[in-house]
Amino acid sequence: DGGITQSPKYLFRKEGQNVTLSCEQNLNHDAMYWYRQDPGQGLRLIYYSQIVNDFQKGDIAEGYSVSREKKESFPLTVTSAQKNPTAFYLCASSSPQDNSYEQYFGPGTRLTVT
Amino acid sequence: GQNIDQPTEMTATEGAIVQINCTYQTSGFNGLFWYQQHAGEAPTFLSYNVLDGLEEKGRFSSFLSRSKGYSYLLLKELQMKDSASYLCAVRVFSGGYYKLIFGAGTRLAVHP
Repeated sequence: DGGITQSPKYLFRKEGQNVTLSCEQNLNHDAMYWYRQDPGQGLRLIYYSQIVNDFQKGDIAEGYSVSREKKESFPLTVTSAQKNPTAFYLCASSSPQDNSYEQYFGPGTRLTVT
Repeated sequence: GQNIDQPTEMTATEGAIVQINCTYQTSGFNGLFWYQQHAGEAPTFLSYNVLDGLEEKGRFSSFLSRSKGYSYLLLKELQMKDSASYLCAVRVFSGGYYKLIFGAGTRLAVHP
């Protein structure tokens, strides 16, 4: 079964700690994305990567970092510099071979920082 | 700037038809997507429009008018399971890459 996995589903951290959210896909997609979703707001793009070893800042990259060492994996680190890290984080992937460039989403990780 | 507007909430009755509107003002346009998202879950793809007109897929249809910066999602024969948020997203070319700009979503409640 092809898809995107994110773990864990729920994550709790103390303020001041860095935390890394995992995202793995076996769809053989080149492009991967990280979004943040807050109540009453649309998905906002944090980082995206079109190919391995390359990534670009999205609209709200401050306080986050990513790596793309393997095609299948695109982990997101929420650093202590992120002022409001509590949110629902969604990872997605897409393929340029797909004419619609549809993005497939993982199940999400809900991060709570206290 | 990039702006996508959708109504915040809508209610409808089981078996009825509902139309969810989306207007957009973006720098560039390379297609419009509709996604369904149940609470606490991942968005799932519903439809994609890149040319003007109506795309029909079972109980769901999506319409696009590029000249008016307008789209709607039409849901027919509503079922209780259609209670969810519906996200409108526009694909734009920015910084050498394609990316999606999302609206805030429309929360639809279907009542018996």
